[in-house]
Amino acid sequence: GQNIDQPTEMTATEGAIVQINCTYQTSGFNGLFWYQQHAGEAPTFLSYNVLDGLEEKGRFSSFLSRSKGYSYLLLKELQMKDSASYLCAVTDSNYQLIWGAGTKLIIKP
Amino acid sequence: IAGITQAPTSQILAAGRRMTLRCTQDMRHNAMYWYRQDLGLGLRLIHYSNTAGTTGKGEVPDGYSVSRANTDDFPLTLASAVPSQTSVYFCASSDSGTGPTDTQYFGPGTRLTVL
Repeated sequence: GQNIDQPTEMTATEGAIVQINCTYQTSGFNGLFWYQQHAGEAPTFLSYNVLDGLEEKGRFSSFLSRSKGYSYLLLKELQMKDSASYLCAVTDSNYQLIWGAGTKLIIKP
Repeated sequence: IAGITQAPTSQILAAGRRMTLRCTQDMRHNAMYWYRQDLGLGLRLIHYSNTAGTTGKGEVPDGYSVSRANTDDFPLTLASAVPSQTSVYFCASSDSGTGPTDTQYFGPGTRLTVL
């Protein structure tokens, strides 16, 4: 079966760095997405990785290792507005998006 | 304003009633999707459409139907609602639906409660 695992919840301090991990087992792989979802709102696109390595975009970076079926989202200089759920999703061989349950990130002052 | 709109924002529905959730996009995207999101579970695909005139079943299609008469609209119908269909429903769209880099953009969601 297809499976994506993320921690359910994480807590971090304002100004710090946090790493949210995602492991996946899917039928084929055509890329991995990270989305941000604030409570009561729609998911919004953060990043896309298809090749191994690190993609940096401002305070957010995303890493992929296809051989390990592993990705992480790195958030630097955390701000209170970063409190949200972070969703990992993988495009399988049929170009369907398989979604993880999301990681709720709580930022404390 | 470009984007995806959904209606209604929220709805309380008696079991057994028929309900249509509306979704409209103005980005001229070819592909559209319906997801449900339940606490503790990931987004689950109900139905999708890669282009106007075609539809396909996702992971949890039972009890739901869709149509895609034109590019912009993708309504989701619950023929006879049951309490297990209580959820938040998101409509999304993407440029092609078949490309590996195809990013999905989401509507604001409809919160549906079936009693």
